[in-house]
Amino acid sequence: DVKVTQSSRYLVKRTGEKVFLECVQDMDHENMFWYRQDPGLGLRLIYFSYDVKMKEKGDIPEGYSVSREKKERFSLILESASTNQTSMYLCASKPTAANTGELFFGEGSRLTVL
Amino acid sequence: AQSVTQLGSHVSVSEGALVLLRCNYSSSVPPYLFWYVQYPNQGLQLLLKYTSAATLVKGINGFEAEFKKSETSFHLTKPSAHMSDAAEYFCAVNSGNTPLVFGKGTRLSVIA
Repeated sequence: DVKVTQSSRYLVKRTGEKVFLECVQDMDHENMFWYRQDPGLGLRLIYFSYDVKMKEKGDIPEGYSVSREKKERFSLILESASTNQTSMYLCASKPTAANTGELFFGEGSRLTVL
Repeated sequence: AQSVTQLGSHVSVSEGALVLLRCNYSSSVPPYLFWYVQYPNQGLQLLLKYTSAATLVKGINGFEAEFKKSETSFHLTKPSAHMSDAAEYFCAVNSGNTPLVFGKGTRLSVIA
């Protein structure tokens, strides 16, 4: 069965801390994505990757970076967490960049920055 | 640029009533359109998708959507709401080799 796993469901961090959100998929997908979900704003794309060691900025990359050293793993990094980064973070993957490809989502990581 | 507008951030229906969730899109090239559902404390899962085949698309759990190019719409319907349909629903679009763009979501409440 298709699986996208986000290792941390709930995190509480302090302002200024470095935060790592990990995402692993077991479907050999080429494409991986990080979205941020906020009430009333829907899902907004932070970063995406179409291949290993490749990354592209999405609509709201400021304050974030990513790492994709292996095909199955896509990490989102908050270099210095701020309170306005309190949010739900969703990782997703799909087989290729083809338009008809379904996105498979993880269950999300809810981050609170104090 | 592509965009999606979901009309109504919150829709409330009685159990057994028709569900209608509205989605309008903007795209300069033929779009691919999707509806996703998110149950509480879960990620999103695909309900259905339009990929330029039949304009009436049937999905899981009795939902369907009709692509209307003239109206740039892709509304989601279900003839009879069930309590288990209570969730948040997202319409999404992509065209060309670009990531999916999501609407802001519509929360569906079902009243017994």
